[in-house]
Amino acid sequence: AQKVTQAQTEISVVEKEDVTLDCVYETRDTTYYLFWYKQPPSGELVFLIRRNSFDEQNEISGRYSWNFQKSTSSFNFTITASQVVDSAVYFCALSGSAGNMLTFGGGTRLMVKP
Amino acid sequence: NAGVTQTPKFRILKIGQSMTLQCTQDMNHNYMYWYRQDPGMGLKLIYYSVGAGITDKGEVPNGYNVSRSTTEDFPLRLELAAPSQTSVYFCASRSRVSLGTDTQYFGPGTRLTVL
Repeated sequence: AQKVTQAQTEISVVEKEDVTLDCVYETRDTTYYLFWYKQPPSGELVFLIRRNSFDEQNEISGRYSWNFQKSTSSFNFTITASQVVDSAVYFCALSGSAGNMLTFGGGTRLMVKP
Repeated sequence: NAGVTQTPKFRILKIGQSMTLQCTQDMNHNYMYWYRQDPGMGLKLIYYSVGAGITDKGEVPNGYNVSRSTTEDFPLRLELAAPSQTSVYFCASRSRVSLGTDTQYFGPGTRLTVL
């Protein structure tokens, strides 16, 4: 069975602070995919990144960066110089080799205060 | 390209009523999914479909039915609504890739309240 744990249910930071959202996963598949989605207050789910289990390179996209470490089964997400518009619920998700379902973590609510 | 569209956006049902949540995608994706998101929680898979005419149960299928007569449409049916089905429902789709998975793209959601 697959499992995704986001231990931080809520994080509050002041604008311009850096913040890291943790994600730990469990799977027996040797090939799997990890995702981050953003859910702003409007409610839609916005895809941020996909990473496959064979690619442990960290990725940076503007103020966003992701740290994938297979040894610790973690796929953490860092926002640099946070902004109020980053306020949202962020979900980490896992898909196994069959690819037929995403297993979501419980989400981390990020509040960025001005 | 509208992506994944869902109707209605909001609905209030009485216990025992039935309704169909509509989902349509215009990306020619083979795979389609229905998830529910309970307050303060992550999403859980209800049903999915790997192509027209093929559907299968997800993690929480009880109380729901689906059909997939076309590639574009994947309606979700609630036959006897119960308060436990109060949730936000998301439809998603992805293309079929021979190796591995592709990204799931989500619709805007339907907020359903059962009183």
